[in-house]
Amino acid sequence: GENVEQHPSTLSVQEGDSAVIKCTYSDSASNYFPWYKQELGKGPQLIIDIRSNVGEKKDQRIAVTLNKTAKHFSLHITETQPEDSAVYFCAASEGYSTLTFGKGTMLLVSP
Amino acid sequence: DSGVTQTPKHLITATGQRVTLRCSPRSGDLSVYWYQQSLDQGLQFLIQYYNGEERAKGNILERFSAQQFPDLHSELNLSSLELGDSALYFCASKPSLMNTEAFFGQGTRLTVV
Repeated sequence: GENVEQHPSTLSVQEGDSAVIKCTYSDSASNYFPWYKQELGKGPQLIIDIRSNVGEKKDQRIAVTLNKTAKHFSLHITETQPEDSAVYFCAASEGYSTLTFGKGTMLLVSP
Repeated sequence: DSGVTQTPKHLITATGQRVTLRCSPRSGDLSVYWYQQSLDQGLQFLIQYYNGEERAKGNILERFSAQQFPDLHSELNLSSLELGDSALYFCASKPSLMNTEAFFGQGTRLTVV
């Protein structure tokens, strides 16, 4: 089955800095890679996703890049704000099958 | 608010007991997923139901079972509870099998003492 590794487990940045979270996956058949944000006391919420026919996708301050050859994808957050503080999960799946999640990254943005 | 409702929000019970967690998916969503979230394992997929039928199984223990009812709500039953079963249990729903975005509830925090 699919295995998703996520690094780092915790990330502390100053407000305004950029943050990068990296994930690798094992199953070359995976073609859908979402990122979820989990705020304290809430369930995970989709913030951005990318499919394997695309190398990069942006949505305002967040972007995701995908390297199919190396089987890794990354989340980039620019101009971080305190409200970006949360746990971020990457995930992978083949088509519409069940998502396999990474173990999460706790992002702390200090004012 | 994702539209997915989970009850109860918190549950404290003793080892050896049995509990039932309930999930109401978003209106019209046919597919329900259950996940277990622990500190060291992240989000682990347990089981999926689609329109009342079991669709996929993940790392679900034999002591755990689930079902989806005709009104599409789902229940996760955990029995012979152990300390290690303490975790957050999330339910997520999708409109159909052909959707990629999963909508998560706020979770049930289970503490086994």
